Amino acid sequence: GESVGLHLPTLSVQEGDNSIINCAYSNSASDYFIWYKQESGKGPQFIIDIRSNMDKRQGQRVTVLLNKTVKHLSLQIAATQPGDSAVYFCAETSNGSGNTGKLIFGQGTTLQVKP
Amino acid sequence: KAGVTQTPRYLIKTRGQQVTLSCSPISGHRSVSWYQQTPGQGLQFLFEYFSETQRNKGNFPGRFSGRQFSNSRSEMNVSTLELGDSALYLCASSLTQGTYGYTFGSGTRLTVV
Repeated sequence: GESVGLHLPTLSVQEGDNSIINCAYSNSASDYFIWYKQESGKGPQFIIDIRSNMDKRQGQRVTVLLNKTVKHLSLQIAATQPGDSAVYFCAETSNGSGNTGKLIFGQGTTLQVKP
Repeated sequence: KAGVTQTPRYLIKTRGQQVTLSCSPISGHRSVSWYQQTPGQGLQFLFEYFSETQRNKGNFPGRFSGRQFSNSRSEMNVSTLELGDSALYLCASSLTQGTYGYTFGSGTRLTVV
């Protein structure tokens, strides 16, 4: 069945280090993936997205990598800052076209940044 | 510009009661989707509305319903509340149908006692 999962529930990194958050998905038909950041008391905030016709996309301090062969997604955060501390979710569209409001979310990884 | 507004922020209800939650999308956004977030199940899709029509529905019982008005504002209703309905209910809006440009609100925290 469809599922999106994250490998680690908690990731602790030192301020200034790079962070890598992983995600595995099971629906090979999915063609659009999004990473969200959720801080306490707030809704998920869009970080970066990627379509399945790409294997890498970069934003400001963030990079998303997509490996369709092993159905794996990762989020890399460069020079991690205390403000990056939050729960990170990967999500995929369920029907592969992006033309739906239905996202399937992973369970989330808590990123803790130590000063 | 204003973000997605959800009201109320917090709500306490008793088992068996019903509740209505409101979501005002970003101005100009016509699509609204609802999600339930719990520690055990994570974020789960409830339904999506576009142009006042439900376009997609998740795997929730019929006690969960929603609607969208001509101004794109949306409400969701949960009848005969159960303890397990305690959750953070999030709505997200986008310009058109679909997930591109999704913006989430801060949610309504519902506690059923």
